[in-house]
Amino acid sequence: EAGVTQFPSHSVIEKGQTVTLRCDPISGHDNLYWYRRVMGKEIKFLLHFVKESKQDESGMPNNRFLAERTGGTYSTLKVQPAELEDSGVYFCASSPKGLTQYFGPGTRLLVL
Amino acid sequence: DQQVKQNSPSLSVQEGRISILNCDYTNSMFDYFLWYKKYPAEGPTFLISISSIKDKNEDGRFTVFLNKSAKHLSLHIVPSQPGDSAVYFCAASARHTGTASKLTFGTGTRLQVTL
Repeated sequence: EAGVTQFPSHSVIEKGQTVTLRCDPISGHDNLYWYRRVMGKEIKFLLHFVKESKQDESGMPNNRFLAERTGGTYSTLKVQPAELEDSGVYFCASSPKGLTQYFGPGTRLLVL
Repeated sequence: DQQVKQNSPSLSVQEGRISILNCDYTNSMFDYFLWYKKYPAEGPTFLISISSIKDKNEDGRFTVFLNKSAKHLSLHIVPSQPGDSAVYFCAASARHTGTASKLTFGTGTRLQVTL
């Protein structure tokens, strides 16, 4: 069974640009989560989808972040415009029923 | 306000000995706890979990202990192997709010198993 995949693995952009991160969950997993780890700190929750609906977006830092999950399959997280403090590793996780979340390898974002 | 704390940023243990990683939490609403292991440039990998109705869960070399009154859990690895060298994250969720609720993570403990 294929795991959670994320694209790109790395992204380097300039402040003010736009970046879109993509996550493909494990097939059949209705629950999809986005997390972020900044500067070696703890991994922090951003938001949670159940199928195509946003279940909890309490962790989204501000309105420069927009997440979508088209048709309840893959998800995208867009940052527009990117700021320096957005640099970090963005993880996606998926879960069939929410008890255990399986993480992807992450996208390393560097905003210069 | 950090609700899940891992106060030891690093731990070094000799191969074959026991590794004990600790985690404390402050939110009494947490009722499900997980340990994840992370290698550099990879995502966290699920290791073991425990529900608040239990005080111990064992899976091979890994055992998690939960002390609800102290709001403390620990992960024991016996015997430790060089391949166990990684960063270990403690995570918690409040499942009663919905089985698919978010995870709250600690800052991680870097375990190094030496030969």
